[in-house]
Amino acid sequence: EPEVTQTPSHQVTQMGQEVILRCVPISNHLYFYWYRQILGQKVEFLVSFYNNEISEKSEIFDDQFSVERPDGSNFTLKIRSTKLEDSAMYFCASSTGTHGNQPQHFGDGTRLSIL
Amino acid sequence: SQKIEQNSEALNIQEGKTATLTCNYTNYSPAYLQWYRQDPGRGPVFLLLIRENEKEKRKERLKVTFDTTLKQSLFHITASQPADSATYLCALSRGEYGNKLVFGAGTILRVKS
Repeated sequence: EPEVTQTPSHQVTQMGQEVILRCVPISNHLYFYWYRQILGQKVEFLVSFYNNEISEKSEIFDDQFSVERPDGSNFTLKIRSTKLEDSAMYFCASSTGTHGNQPQHFGDGTRLSIL
Repeated sequence: SQKIEQNSEALNIQEGKTATLTCNYTNYSPAYLQWYRQDPGRGPVFLLLIRENEKEKRKERLKVTFDTTLKQSLFHITASQPADSATYLCALSRGEYGNKLVFGAGTILRVKS
């Protein structure tokens, strides 16, 4: 069964450094998402992306965050200047539909640790 | 502000029994409600989706109900097995473009043999 893959599985970065998290969504999916989950807390929506532009973003997704689909397969999340509070598990997801009527398929996440 | 509440305590049940998990919401009008399973250190895995105009949906041993008047969904696992032990997440969507899912905190289910 096709799956969403994320790399790296664990990223350790110094505060203030830039980090790029990578995702390969399911190949025939057109809608892509990033969520994060701080340890012990809820899964929180960050951003949705379709047709090379952001569809919706949350308050968490400020100017320090950006997303890109640099080629036909990868979908990336960049954090320009990381803060301690960015430490979390970051999940990429993809779906065939974008109005909540299709399931989202999640990767197993990248654990981001900011020192 | 919108609020989604799931059973705050872990649910411990005996193998073979039916597990019932609750999702209540306030200040929100979802068009769709989804249930996901999450194992430790893994991403959520989709289980079932129900629309606001549907009362009940079934898939194998799973059943979900959706009552928009009570603002509540119930998720049932019949003939539960130790392999069903996981955290179960309720997620809501308004059905608007962008498809943001709003998740509850999840309920830990432990099935003992």
